[in-house]
Amino acid sequence: EAQVTQNPRYLITVTGKKLTVTCSQNMNHEYMSWYRQDPGLGLRQIYYSMNVEVTDKGDVPEGYKVSRKEKRNFPLILESPSPNQTSLYFCASSLALAGGLSGELFFGEGSRLTVL
Amino acid sequence: AQSVAQPEDQVNVAEGNPLTVKCTYSVSGNPYLFWYVQYPNRGLQFLLKYITGDNLVKGSYGFEAEFNKSQTSFHLKKPSALVSDSALYFCAVRPPFSGGYNKLIFGAGTRLAVHP
Repeated sequence: EAQVTQNPRYLITVTGKKLTVTCSQNMNHEYMSWYRQDPGLGLRQIYYSMNVEVTDKGDVPEGYKVSRKEKRNFPLILESPSPNQTSLYFCASSLALAGGLSGELFFGEGSRLTVL
Repeated sequence: AQSVAQPEDQVNVAEGNPLTVKCTYSVSGNPYLFWYVQYPNRGLQFLLKYITGDNLVKGSYGFEAEFNKSQTSFHLKKPSALVSDSALYFCAVRPPFSGGYNKLIFGAGTRLAVHP
């Protein structure tokens, strides 16, 4: 079954304690991306990756890091989480065509993070 | 600035009645346009897209969307609503090649409530 898997689904942590949210896809997609969803703001892109070892900032990258060492995995790292990073996070993947992103994103189930 | 507007936070409709969820965008050139749906505690799912051609596009679950270039709108429609259509709907835009083609810009979302 084609899917994007995120872990953990729920996490409560404290300010400053490093954490990683993992994301894995089994569709051999080149493109992967992280979004955060906040009420009234929709989805905002944090980072994206067009392929292995190719990553770039989205609209709200501050306080986050990513890596793309393997095509299937795209972890999101919060080095020193703060309360304003409390949010619902989604990983997504897609084919990258010659003209750019196809746009048909496959999303994970989401990871709800609370930073106290 | 590039943006997507969904002017209604919530749309209420009776089961069996037609529904419309509105979306307008501010992106130069000819963008790709998308609708996604999010059911409770789930990730977003792709519904339909417009790239070029016929202004009326059909998608999953009986939904369709009408592209209007002069009004820069891409409204989601369904002739007869079902209670199971109740969910959060997101409009998204992929800017054209020269304007940030590796991202989707999402609207804030519209909650659709279909009443029996």
